[in-house]
Amino acid sequence: DTGVSQDPRHKITKRGQNVTFRCDPISEHNRLYWYRQTLGQGPEFLTYFQNEAQLEKSRLLSDRFSAERPKGSFSTLEIQRTEQGDSAMYLCASSRGRPSGELFFGEGSRLTVL
Amino acid sequence: AQKVTQAQTEISVVEKEDVTLDCVYETRDTTYYLFWYKQPPSGELVFLIRRNSFDEQNEISGRYSWNFQKSTSSFNFTITASQVVDSAVYFCALKADNQGGKLIFGQGTELSVKP
Repeated sequence: DTGVSQDPRHKITKRGQNVTFRCDPISEHNRLYWYRQTLGQGPEFLTYFQNEAQLEKSRLLSDRFSAERPKGSFSTLEIQRTEQGDSAMYLCASSRGRPSGELFFGEGSRLTVL
Repeated sequence: AQKVTQAQTEISVVEKEDVTLDCVYETRDTTYYLFWYKQPPSGELVFLIRRNSFDEQNEISGRYSWNFQKSTSSFNFTITASQVVDSAVYFCALKADNQGGKLIFGQGTELSVKP
């Protein structure tokens, strides 16, 4: 399987705990994106990387959220001190970086904060 | 500011009916790209089509067709002779040339095709 893969697929945690999600993009793609999707809504942009550089962060990304992409390969999204409002599907996508290029999405990591 | 509006939250049709999903967008950029994605119950967003702002030709792919009209800032999607397997949430999205490649999504239209 050469698509975008995300791990874990599901995470249930208690409020206040830290969680980390991992995304492995398609290998030749230099851009990697994180989105958040809540029930009944479209995906909302969080942040994106070109290679290892984080080029943009949404205002949705509070200081409890941090994303990294060491060596420009896989990426991690960490949420510290989780809150119930963080419950959502976290989607990762990658692309070749051409302006017209479509994004290829993974199956997402569903977070439930109790 | 960029925005995508999908006014239809849910649509229900009977198999073999034609159905059109509406999409209206806002952008001040002259170069931009429009997309449609399908999200089946499994959750993975599947790319369907891309259109750039300089190409207003309509496109047909099998039972799917797209109507792009810059004059009304719309990019509508029609499924002809719908099938149960078409049941999913469909998202329209916009990407501007100078926005780092990020997509701005609409809220989605949930299509239910009943046998």
